[in-house]
Amino acid sequence: KAGVTQTPRYLIKTRGQQVTLSCSPISGHRSVSWYQQTPGQGLQFLFEYFSETQRNKGNFPGRFSGRQFSNSRSEMNVSTLELGDSALYLCASSLASQGPQYFGPGTRLTVL
Amino acid sequence: DQQVKQNSPSLSVQEGRISILNCDYTNSMFDYFLWYKKYPAEGPTFLISISSIKDKNEDGRFTVFLNKSAKHLSLHIVPSQPGDSAVYFCAATFGNEKLTFGTGTRLTIIP
Repeated sequence: KAGVTQTPRYLIKTRGQQVTLSCSPISGHRSVSWYQQTPGQGLQFLFEYFSETQRNKGNFPGRFSGRQFSNSRSEMNVSTLELGDSALYLCASSLASQGPQYFGPGTRLTVL
Repeated sequence: DQQVKQNSPSLSVQEGRISILNCDYTNSMFDYFLWYKKYPAEGPTFLISISSIKDKNEDGRFTVFLNKSAKHLSLHIVPSQPGDSAVYFCAATFGNEKLTFGTGTRLTIIP
């Protein structure tokens, strides 16, 4: 089975721009979660989607949004980028509501 | 409020010896716990999990122990190998709640 894939792997943007990141979960997985990792901050939870509905949300501003499609693929959008948004953005999928999450390789976003 | 804590930011262990990584939690609702391993610039890799109905789960060189009364879990790696050098995260959840991660422990295996 193919693992979680994320595109693009690397992205460079400037302040004020917006960005869309994509995640394809493992086949059959219906839950997709997004995380932000910055040096010294660990893994910060952004949101989780299950069957196209946002089920959980972290403490991030409204500039961060997401959605999930009927094929379970998910996108994350960040508008009005700030320097502090530079981070590794990770997507994870899981089969069941309680079970291991499997992570993709991440998208490295750099905001200049 | 950090509900999952890994109080040791780093740990160094001689190759072949046992590595013990610790994790404490405060939320008594947590009933499912996981350990992940992460290399730089990669996504975390799932290692092992344990449900609160058990106190031990083993998978090859990896064993996770859960002490519910102390709200403490630990990951034992025996024997430690150079490829085990990475950052290890513990995580906890219950029901449909999100995974809550600890801040990680950097494990260095000394050849």
